[in-house]
Amino acid sequence: AQSVSQHNHHVILSEAASLELGCNYSYGGTVNLFWYVQYPGQHLQLLLKYFSGDPLVKGIKGFEAEFIKSKFSFNLRKPSVQWSDTAEYFCAVTGSGGSNYKLTFGKGTLLTVNP
Amino acid sequence: DVKVTQSSRYLVKRTGEKVFLECVQDMDHENMFWYRQDPGLGLRLIYFSYDVKMKEKGDIPEGYSVSREKKERFSLILESASTNQTSMYLCASIYGGAGEQFFGPGTRLTVL
Repeated sequence: AQSVSQHNHHVILSEAASLELGCNYSYGGTVNLFWYVQYPGQHLQLLLKYFSGDPLVKGIKGFEAEFIKSKFSFNLRKPSVQWSDTAEYFCAVTGSGGSNYKLTFGKGTLLTVNP
Repeated sequence: DVKVTQSSRYLVKRTGEKVFLECVQDMDHENMFWYRQDPGLGLRLIYFSYDVKMKEKGDIPEGYSVSREKKERFSLILESASTNQTSMYLCASIYGGAGEQFFGPGTRLTVL
């Protein structure tokens, strides 16, 4: 069964600090990987995704993530966070190809950015 | 833009009531999903549907059922609501296979 582990439950940073949120997955095959974000009071939306190709993917609002196959990891990064990045972040995985469209989510990381 | 709408943002029900949560998507997506979101547990898949009248159990289907009579609509049913079903319920849809899922705004259900 596929699973996703997010290392940090709650991260607190000051504005301009750098961010890295850890995500490790378990899946016996080729994967598609996602980071979703949920801003306070808003619905879940896609931040970035990896399907294939360049393992460094760029998303919206200056976020990027790196897929490291050997480590089963897909960590999210941002060089300089802003107060508006305060949100909950979810890593998710699904198998690629065929009809395997079941997304498995991590438990989420709450990011608080202090002004 | 894809739009996924859910019938209610907030819902309060009593223990033992039958509860219907409705989800509608406007982009002709084949696959639809119901999740529940709880603090510290992330999103957990309850049921999904890959076609009209077709459904599959997710990871936590106990106490829930679903209905998909039309392609655009996917309903989650709590046959007899219990307090442990108090949660945020999210609906999502996707066109084909393993791409981006589009989420609705969620229904926060409280069972008293």
